[in-house]
This record gives sequence, C-alpha cells and structure tokens, in this order.
Amino acid sequence: DAGVIQSPRHEVTEMGQEVTLRCKPISGHNSLFWYRQTMMRGLELLIYFNNNVPIDDSGMPEDRFSAKMPNASFSTLKIQPSEPRDSAVYFCASTNSAAPPYEQYFGPGTRLTVT
Amino acid sequence: DAKTTQPTSMDCAEGRAANLPCNHSTISGNEYVYWYRQIHSQGPQYIIHGLKNNETNEMASLIITEDRKSSTLILPHATLRDTAVYYCIATSTGTASKLTFGTGTRLQVTL
Repeated sequence: DAGVIQSPRHEVTEMGQEVTLRCKPISGHNSLFWYRQTMMRGLELLIYFNNNVPIDDSGMPEDRFSAKMPNASFSTLKIQPSEPRDSAVYFCASTNSAAPPYEQYFGPGTRLTVT
Repeated sequence: DAKTTQPTSMDCAEGRAANLPCNHSTISGNEYVYWYRQIHSQGPQYIIHGLKNNETNEMASLIITEDRKSSTLILPHATLRDTAVYYCIATSTGTASKLTFGTGTRLQVTL
C-alpha cells in the first residue's frame, strides 16, 4: 500500500485566498483525521471522520475551516479565506477503528505558508 | 484522556538502550498507553501500545508499572535513525482513535 497520500506537499498562498488540502487514506481504513502542527501549539487534532461522517470537529479553529469526506477514499480540508496564522503543517491520518490496535497512519503532511 | 508528563529531552549513545519515561498518574482503568514518534519533517509513526501488561514488538518494548501510573518505552539498541520526538498518549479504547499529543520527549542519539 502507498500509505496515506496528501497533496500538495507544499502550498504558498496570499492572505485571503482559498486553500484546499487533499488526503487519500489507506484503503480499508474507515477513520480519517486532520491534524495541524505549529511550533507554538504543537500537534493538534482538527477534525475526524468515521465511515465518512464527521464525528468531532471541536478542534476546527473557526468557520473559515471546513472539511469534507465525500467517500471512503478522499477527504479535503478547506480554508477560506486564509490568514497568515494558518501557516502550519497539516497532517492527515487514517486507521481501521473496527480492529485494535487502532494505530493511526500519518501522511507526509502539507506545509502551508500564507503570506 | 489522562494527562501525560514526559521529560523535554534525552540523549542516548548509539547502540545503547534508550529508556523513555512517561508519567500518567491519573490514568483510568480503560485507558491504553500509546507511543508514537515523529522524525523531523515527517508525520508521526505508531510504535507500540499497552494496557497493563508489558509489550514488545519489532520496534520497542513497553514496560507499564503495576499501578499503571507510569510507563517506559525502551529502544533496545538505539541508532541515529531513532533520533525523534517521542509522544506518550493515554486514551480510552472507546476513543482510541482520537489522540491528544503533548510536547513529547526529544531523543537525540549520538555517536
């Protein structure tokens, strides 16, 4: 398996622009997570899906952030409009929550820079 | 999830065992201890997990005290490639998929 795939790997955009991050989970995994990592706040969970349904979005910072999972093999995280403070590395992870040990497999991340 | 406390950083000589401690004194009976690591610029990687028994896999061993208030991750023969930030996480099986990462321990393996 290719592992969790994220695109793009790097994104540089100007403040106010819309940004869309993409994730393809490992085939057969039914849970998907979006994390954000910054030096100040560390690694924090934004939202997670189980069987394509958002379960907990309490970590989404504000309404500018939205996430979708239209099917089991694809998810997007959208920021509109983007702000400089959104600059971070965004990780997507997946797991099979139906079978222990529930380890999460992380993608390589998308490094977002908002100028 | 129970709060975990780890040392900020540790050093280990290559070839020696690296012992990374974690305190989780408020852990509840249904919470597992998970260990992940993050090598620079990469996504976190699962290492091992346990409930109350000691566990071993191809990557590491996990020793959990009898009262479950602390644990130690052991890398038996550390290599330079083990240099990373190691995270100890306590989480219940019901939300085993939801991980709350702390600041972790930065392990530096040196020649």
